[in-house]
Amino acid sequence: ETAVFQTPNYHVTQVGNEVSFNCKQTLGHDTMYWYKQDSKKLLKIMFSYNNKQLIVNETVPRRFSPQSSDKAHLNLRIKSVEPEDSAVYLCASRKWGENTLYFGAGTRLSVL
Amino acid sequence: SQWGEENLQALSIQEGEDVTMNCSYKTYTTVVHWYRQDSGRGPALIILIRSNEREKRSGRLRATLDTSSQSSSLSITAAQCEDTAVYFCATDCNNNNAPRFGAGTKLTVKP
Repeated sequence: ETAVFQTPNYHVTQVGNEVSFNCKQTLGHDTMYWYKQDSKKLLKIMFSYNNKQLIVNETVPRRFSPQSSDKAHLNLRIKSVEPEDSAVYLCASRKWGENTLYFGAGTRLSVL
Repeated sequence: SQWGEENLQALSIQEGEDVTMNCSYKTYTTVVHWYRQDSGRGPALIILIRSNEREKRSGRLRATLDTSSQSSSLSITAAQCEDTAVYFCATDCNNNNAPRFGAGTKLTVKP
């Protein structure tokens, strides 16, 4: 049963445009993550938030910025997309102190 | 690099066979997660083994962990077609950090 919701499922855009992806979890978790999955299925952590506070910020280009309005939502904005941003962006959540990550289905971004 | 292997591995087996997938890691971890990812979906946890455990079983799944060699394995007994998926291991040291994933193994089980 899905409890981490991501929108949109797919997004096609052109180089230089701005995009935003949304993520909401209904599990009552307080920690949320953004991962990037490339065409080889490699998963890389980008950001994580705990109770709206940024706790992990990997080395990602500055055009990426996470946004959290409350602990159930974590959005991702990409300002001026590049071709190498084409990937699946996966949102995940878990409860602080627990191990299991719960993932959404992902947003597939194609940059033309 | 945290991982010994960073390229997606591919395994193809017949239904009913046993299969083992391996991963090695280079940083400290308190637990190793194993996830499976079906096409078009996000990864889902299938088994988790802690650093004080050497083996963990769940149904047809068996995970092992050797902290001295920093390696873990996932075995599936009598694989079925529905086991076809990409399998990942991930290390996790504490909640101030995020779980880090290995490259994954694409398993195909043929009828």
